[in-house]
Amino acid sequence: KAGVTQTPRYLIKTRGQQVTLSCSPISGHRSVSWYQQTPGQGLQFLFEYFSETQRNKGNFPGRFSGRQFSNSRSEMNVSTLELGDSALYLCASSLAAGGHGYTFGSGTRLTVV
Amino acid sequence: GESVGLHLPTLSVQEGDNSIINCAYSNSASDYFIWYKQESGKGPQFIIDIRSNMDKRQGQRVTVLLNKTVKHLSLQIAATQPGDSAVYFCAEAKAAGNKLTFGGGTRVLVKP
Repeated sequence: KAGVTQTPRYLIKTRGQQVTLSCSPISGHRSVSWYQQTPGQGLQFLFEYFSETQRNKGNFPGRFSGRQFSNSRSEMNVSTLELGDSALYLCASSLAAGGHGYTFGSGTRLTVV
Repeated sequence: GESVGLHLPTLSVQEGDNSIINCAYSNSASDYFIWYKQESGKGPQFIIDIRSNMDKRQGQRVTVLLNKTVKHLSLQIAATQPGDSAVYFCAEAKAAGNKLTFGGGTRVLVKP
C-alpha cells in the first residue's frame, strides 16, 4: 500500500515568486492536512481539507492557500515568497475528517533565496 | 537529512536501557494525545495514542502515560535500540477538529 506522496522533494525559489506543492494521500483517505516545520517554530498546522472543502485553517497569512481535488489529491500554494517561508512542508492524510489516524508524507523542503 | 530542530532538548540513552520522554501540553480541552517519531529526512511517524479518558496505554515496547491533573504526557520506550534514535513529538487534538498541536520535540540519541 503506497504511503503519502509529496512532490517535489526539494525546491529552491527566489523571494517574490510563488510555489505549488503537491500531495497524494493514501488510497481511500479523504482528509488531507498540511503542516509547516521549521527549526524555530516547530510543526505548525496550515490547513485541512476533506471532500474538496477546507475544514480548518491555521494562523498563516493569506499568501498560503490550498485546495483538494475530487480524487483527494491536494495542493498548497504560497505566493510572494519570503525568506521566512523556507521550511519543510508536510502533508498528512487520514480516512475521515476529524479522524486522528494521520499518516505523514516525507515532506517538501522549500528553500527561499 | 533535514534538521527538525537546532536546539531541541536531547536525551542520551544507553542501548538496552529504558527511555522516558516527557511533554507538557497546554489545552485542558484536548481529548486526544499522540506521540510521533521523526527520523532524519522523513515525516513524523505515528507511535501510539491515548484518549483523555485513559491514563495509560501500552504498545509494543512503548507505554504512554497521561496525567490530566498537571497536563503531562510521557512516552516510555523499553529496551531502547539504535533504531529508536530520532526526534519525538507529542501532539494534542480536540475531538471536534482535526488540527494537531505539536510540542517542541525531544531528540533521543541511543549510545551503543
